[in-house]
Amino acid sequence: GDSVTQTEGPVTVSESESLIINCTYSATSIAYPNLFWYVRYPGEGLQLLLKVITAGQKGSSRGFEATYNKETTSFHLQKASVQESDSAVYYCALGDLNMGYKLTFGTGTSLLVDP
Amino acid sequence: EAGVTQSPRYAVLQEGQAVSFWCDPISGHDTLYWYQQPRDQGPQLLVYFRDEAVIDNSQLPSDRFSAVRPKGTNSTLKIQSAKQGDTATYLCASNANTGQLYFGEGSKLTVL
Repeated sequence: GDSVTQTEGPVTVSESESLIINCTYSATSIAYPNLFWYVRYPGEGLQLLLKVITAGQKGSSRGFEATYNKETTSFHLQKASVQESDSAVYYCALGDLNMGYKLTFGTGTSLLVDP
Repeated sequence: EAGVTQSPRYAVLQEGQAVSFWCDPISGHDTLYWYQQPRDQGPQLLVYFRDEAVIDNSQLPSDRFSAVRPKGTNSTLKIQSAKQGDTATYLCASNANTGQLYFGEGSKLTVL
């Protein structure tokens, strides 16, 4: 089946430092998977951070970036300078429009940014 | 625009008891999903609907779990004879076929 593996947390980073959360995927039932990063801030519901539909493309939002690399089956999340407000749990996911966007999620990476 | 609404937010049961979770999706969203998220794991799809039709319930433990969406709007997920292994947060999400799922805050179930 399809699966997503991401950096195990918790990850602690000092404010203004750079961040990378690794995500690799295996899509056995989807020919052209779409890739997503979702985020859960404290006290809030899960929400979309960014998505990339096509391999080779980059998505960005709120200073975060992720590039869909089909060769390495990766979709790592990066930010050049984190802020305390970025403290949250980040989930990598894959899905497909033709399968109703039923998403397969990774286990989540808890990020704590020290002020 | 109102978001996805779920109730109850919390439920605590003894093994063998039943519970129902209710979800009101965003108006106009034809696709509705139920996910189960055990502690320290990612959400795992249980079932999803397009309008009132079940599209995929292959991961729904059919002997004790059931889900309906009779008018293609609100949905109910029911667990009969709950087990400790059912302890998790149950997430409802809706989608208007844009690739962005909108999640509710979840219903946290504890089975003692």
